[in-house]
Amino acid sequence: AQSVAQPEDQVKVAEGNPLTVKCTYSVSGNPYLFWYVQYPNRGLQFLLKYITGDNLVKGSYGFEAEFNKSQTSFHLKKPSALVSDSALYFCAVIVGPEGNNRLAFGKGNQVVVIP
Amino acid sequence: NAGVTQTPKFRILKIGQSMTLQCAQDMNHNYMYWYRQDPGMGLKLIYYSVGAGITDKGEVPNGYNVSRSTTEDFPLRLELAAPSQTSVYFCASSRTSGWPGNEQFFGPGTRLTVL
Repeated sequence: AQSVAQPEDQVKVAEGNPLTVKCTYSVSGNPYLFWYVQYPNRGLQFLLKYITGDNLVKGSYGFEAEFNKSQTSFHLKKPSALVSDSALYFCAVIVGPEGNNRLAFGKGNQVVVIP
Repeated sequence: NAGVTQTPKFRILKIGQSMTLQCAQDMNHNYMYWYRQDPGMGLKLIYYSVGAGITDKGEVPNGYNVSRSTTEDFPLRLELAAPSQTSVYFCASSRTSGWPGNEQFFGPGTRLTVL
């Protein structure tokens, strides 16, 4: 079954430092991968996606993610974290047959950026 | 565009009561989804729909029902509420064209407590 795993529960970084949120995937066939962010008491917001092509994907709010086929990973990165980046981050992968766009989500990572 | 809207924002139910969570989108998206979010568990798909009149079960459909009579609306029905249905419920939608990899747009959520 298609799935993603987010191995860490919480990521703490100091403001201005690089931020990395880890995600590994397990799929048969081509992986279609996503990152979403959830701010407190809000719905999820789309950050970026990998479908095909360049392994480095750029997204919203200065985030980027690197697709690594050999390591089956899709880590989210930001070169310089802001306090406002503190939120819950979800990795997701398309599952199911072609045409219904269903997603399976990881358990989420709480990111805490310390001023 | 309002995007994806959900009502109510909060609700407390007694065990055995029923209710309908409303979801509407004004983006003319064919695909719509219902998720529940429990702490540390990520999002689990309850039901989804690929168009008016077509619905299908997700990972955790027991205790819920859906209908899709129009493109815009996708209500979720809880019959005989149980404490295990205490959760935050999110509705989402996505467009059809350009598959694979269309991002989902999420509503603000409904926080439901069953006592």
